Amino acid sequence: GAGVSQSPSNKVTEKGKDVELRCDPISGHTALYWYRQSLGQGLEFLIYFQGNSAPDKSGLPSDRFSAERTGGSVSTLTIQRTQQEDSAVYLCASSLTSGAYTDTQYFGPGTRLTVL
Amino acid sequence: SQQGEEDPQALSIQEGENATMNCSYKTSINNLQWYRQNSGRGLVHLILIRSNEREKHSGRLRVTLDTSKKSSSLLITASRAADTASYFCATDMDTGRRALTFGSGTRLQVQP
Repeated sequence: GAGVSQSPSNKVTEKGKDVELRCDPISGHTALYWYRQSLGQGLEFLIYFQGNSAPDKSGLPSDRFSAERTGGSVSTLTIQRTQQEDSAVYLCASSLTSGAYTDTQYFGPGTRLTVL
Repeated sequence: SQQGEEDPQALSIQEGENATMNCSYKTSINNLQWYRQNSGRGLVHLILIRSNEREKHSGRLRVTLDTSKKSSSLLITASRAADTASYFCATDMDTGRRALTFGSGTRLQVQP
């Protein structure tokens, strides 16, 4: 079946502009995660959605970052007034469930964001 | 600071040799997972080991977990050029937050 998809695959924007990144999780997966990866680094957790529960936003680096998940499926990560330090690969992942522990996560190919 | 830290940061070996990567972490965990990443894009799940398990195998992969030392190792046997990638350990911390904490990874280069 289809895996996690993300769009766009690459995004170049000018400093100060807003950007929207999209994630389509695997059908039936109730948990959805956003991570950020800077060049040569590990992944940094941003936000987590589980079903209809309030999202865990504890990883968002500033109030310029926000995310929503509509209908328990597609998610959009929005970065307002982009800065050069926002340049990174933004990765989305989904998993079947996330109850007492964090299960295997299935990652999308990522969106490479470049802020000029 | 990183919850999971891999060692070494980079490893270069010849095809057919074994590759061992280590991961250390700081807090108690529910499970530890290893992922592989090619070309800086999407990650692929390799193996998950729970906190009450000590060793797990999957094909040419062998993972060990020592919760007393808060460390794990990933062994790839009989490596192939196609194993060239970055390998990350990720911990599911026993804090209630349902997200993985990733280390900075080991870059493995397998020379043909």
